[in-house]
Amino acid sequence: SQELEQSPQSLIVQEGKNLTINCTSSKTLYGLYWYKQKYGEGLIFLMMLQKGGEEKSHEKITAKLDEKKQQSSLHITASQPSHAGIYLCGADPSGGYQKVTFGTGTKLQVIP
Amino acid sequence: SQTIHQWPATLVQPVGSPLSLECTVEGTSNPNLYWYRQAAGRGLQLLFYSVGIGQISSEVPQNLSASRPQDRQFILSSKKLLLSDSGFYLCAGRDGGVGEQFFGPGTRLTVL
Repeated sequence: SQELEQSPQSLIVQEGKNLTINCTSSKTLYGLYWYKQKYGEGLIFLMMLQKGGEEKSHEKITAKLDEKKQQSSLHITASQPSHAGIYLCGADPSGGYQKVTFGTGTKLQVIP
Repeated sequence: SQTIHQWPATLVQPVGSPLSLECTVEGTSNPNLYWYRQAAGRGLQLLFYSVGIGQISSEVPQNLSASRPQDRQFILSSKKLLLSDSGFYLCAGRDGGVGEQFFGPGTRLTVL
């Protein structure tokens, strides 16, 4: 089965600093999703990547999928307290579109 | 886009009592539906998914069961709760089994 490992597990940054979260897969990624979750709430969809080398941005968040489609990174520029939360990557396993595997999550704290 | 409703938001139940968590979907027809459990505010464990009425796939053998009596209704149940059933339960929907998932607000279950 496909496994997703995220790093770091937790991150504390000063407001205004840039940061990167990584998601590494044990198998080829056929669809990679990034979600954000605030404590005790549901997940909010951020971005989906499908093609090797693809890069997408939304406001100050940029996500990339590497050419080999086994790693994705999420980069936040000039972090703000509103960026705080848990970031999770999710992936479609090869050959099936019903199930989504999720990473272990990265807890981000932004200090004003 | 879909809207996922879950209730109750929080639940405290004694060991050995039954459980019924309900999830309903608005804004789409024939979605794939999912039940996840999240421990310690981190990664999601897929419990069940359904591609249609009466169709349930179980991912993890356990004390829980799921049912889909209507197209936009997904229910998570247990006959006798265990302490280990405590956690944050999330329902999600997905159009046609591809693309991003839409998540409900979650139910925090505490078994005492």
